[in-house]
Amino acid sequence: GENVEQHPSTLSVQEGDSAVIKCTYSDSASNYFPWYKQELGKRPQLIIDIRSNVGEKKDQRIAVTLNKTAKHFSLHITETQPEDSAVYFCAASIPREDRLAFGKGNQVVVIP
Amino acid sequence: DTGVSQDPRHKITKRGQNVTFRCDPISEHNRLYWYRQTLGQGPEFLTYFQNEAQLEKSRLLSDRFSAERPKGSFSTLEIQRTEQGDSAMYLCASSFRTGRVEPKMNEQFFGPGTRLTVL
Repeated sequence: GENVEQHPSTLSVQEGDSAVIKCTYSDSASNYFPWYKQELGKRPQLIIDIRSNVGEKKDQRIAVTLNKTAKHFSLHITETQPEDSAVYFCAASIPREDRLAFGKGNQVVVIP
Repeated sequence: DTGVSQDPRHKITKRGQNVTFRCDPISEHNRLYWYRQTLGQGPEFLTYFQNEAQLEKSRLLSDRFSAERPKGSFSTLEIQRTEQGDSAMYLCASSFRTGRVEPKMNEQFFGPGTRLTVL
């Protein structure tokens, strides 16, 4: 089945710096790739997603890039703020089962 | 509140007991998903419904787990003869699946979860 892996597991950045989280997937048929943010004790919330017909998508300080050949996509957060501290989950669609497979998550800590 | 809701938010039970959780999705959403999440892990897929039909179930899911969505609105997840290994956060999510010719997966909205503790 689809295998989704995230690196690094924990990332600490100084406030104002950029953070990059990489996610790899195994199923070349995957065509939808969302990123979710989960703050402590709260529900996961979508922050950005990308489909396979697009290479990059940006929303203010958040961007996602997709490399279909290498089967990886990355989340970029610029000008990090303390409220960006959270666990970030990537996911990839499994077309033949019509659902998502999630990675284990990355803990991002923004140091004021 | 028009978001996804789950009830109860917390459940403590003794090993061997049965428990049932409820999920109310966003009203116009035709897709409803159940996930399990343990500490330090991402959401693990359990099952999903398209309207009232259960279309997919995880191969790892024990026969002690069953889910229903009788009228295509709310859903229940039942765990029979609970074990300590069932302790986890159970998340529900809903989405609107669009398109018949080229169906598209869209954003899943998560509920707050039900935290289950099996003693």
